[in-house]
Amino acid sequence: NAGVTQTPKFRVLKTGQSMTLLCAQDMNHEYMYWYRQDPGMGLRLIHYSVGEGTTAKGEVPDGYNVSRLKKQNFLLGLESAAPSQTSVYFCASSYRDTQPEAFFGQGTRLTVV
Amino acid sequence: AQSVTQPDIHITVSEGASLELRCNYSYGATPYLFWYVQSPGQGLQLLLKYFSGDTLVQGIKGFEAEFKRSQSSFNLRKPSVHWSDAAEYFCASRGSTLGRLYFGRGTQLTVWP
Repeated sequence: NAGVTQTPKFRVLKTGQSMTLLCAQDMNHEYMYWYRQDPGMGLRLIHYSVGEGTTAKGEVPDGYNVSRLKKQNFLLGLESAAPSQTSVYFCASSYRDTQPEAFFGQGTRLTVV
Repeated sequence: AQSVTQPDIHITVSEGASLELRCNYSYGATPYLFWYVQSPGQGLQLLLKYFSGDTLVQGIKGFEAEFKRSQSSFNLRKPSVHWSDAAEYFCASRGSTLGRLYFGRGTQLTVWP
């Protein structure tokens, strides 16, 4: 099993450019999450999804959009990248309420110049 | 609002010494509690979890954690630290909001040889 796979692993964007980060899980998990990790800030939740076709805002949703068209995929979009979005992005998934532990991808390091 | 606090940003211990990393949560009912470890450049790996029952839980790599409701704490312990334990450790909880996880800011562990 691959678990949670994030694409790409590294990316450099210019201010104002757009991009999409892809997260795929092969564990048949219902819940998926996007976090960003910044030094000294821990992990902050951007958006999450509790099932195919549903999304919800987390702590820091501004400047990001998400879609969950298929159960196994969760896409994070940046429409107009800003230097403040320079961060490491992690996708995670969990099965359901009765098994809430999250499994994480390896991360995407994004730099906006 | 629900939150998780890790009071120690950085801890240094000698190899072979015992370790305790502190975690406090704010939530009325008993939350789901987790400890994750992150090695440099890697994603987060689940060390252990607590849902209910026995308040002392065992995890991987020789770690254990104790849930204390009276202190709203879930501290991580290891009797004898190995150099390979050097990493960042995150405490997390999942409370009343469906599918949402809350992370502490992390504790960086340095191990002296």
